Amino acid sequence: DAKTTQPPSMDCAEGRAANLPCNHSTISGNEYVYWYRQIHSQGPQYIIHGLKNNETNEMASLIITEDRKSSTLILPHATLRDTAVYYCIVRVPEDTGRRALTFGSGTRLQVQP
Amino acid sequence: DAGVTQSPTHLIKTRGQQVTLRCSPKSGHDTVSWYQQALGQGPQFIFQYYEEEERQRGNFPDRFSGHQFPNYSSELNVNALLLGDSALYLCASSLRAEWWRSYGYTFGSGTRLTVV
Repeated sequence: DAKTTQPPSMDCAEGRAANLPCNHSTISGNEYVYWYRQIHSQGPQYIIHGLKNNETNEMASLIITEDRKSSTLILPHATLRDTAVYYCIVRVPEDTGRRALTFGSGTRLQVQP
Repeated sequence: DAGVTQSPTHLIKTRGQQVTLRCSPKSGHDTVSWYQQALGQGPQFIFQYYEEEERQRGNFPDRFSGHQFPNYSSELNVNALLLGDSALYLCASSLRAEWWRSYGYTFGSGTRLTVV
């Protein structure tokens, strides 16, 4: 898995958009960007993934730069329940469910009331 | 449809003792992975079981061992406990044949092990 770099912590006001950046300058052409989050006292939860196009689902949006060296996870209207540690992971999809996930330290997002 | 179930949720052991943690995978999943998460850090991969055999192993000593049963459930055993083994132990299940599914892994809520 390619190495990723994330800020250790971020704050966001409730109701505002939370933009979480991730740098992955050594990403390979066949590697996808995955985002997981871990709410306190729970296991990590899958959020979204993408290759090069922007992706959106019911939880979040993922914006990947044209050179694919960085990405941003966007929570459009953050709530207190979004307070969690967010992990950015880069890997080939064939490894999903078969090989170990490599977690960094992630970004601790604190949503403020 | 039950997700990943881990037991117990909390456990306190003394240094030198042995501990067994248990995991029932999500219905339909056949692969179980174990992770150790120290306070303030991301989860670290311990090992993965598929078809009742250890398939991959992270950088953990032989004191950490496991087992997978025919019903796909799994156990994690840690011998000769050290204070540094205190952590949240997470179990993740997946379906090996459906690697193309986006979500990949489903995690349990973990077992909090405290070694005193």
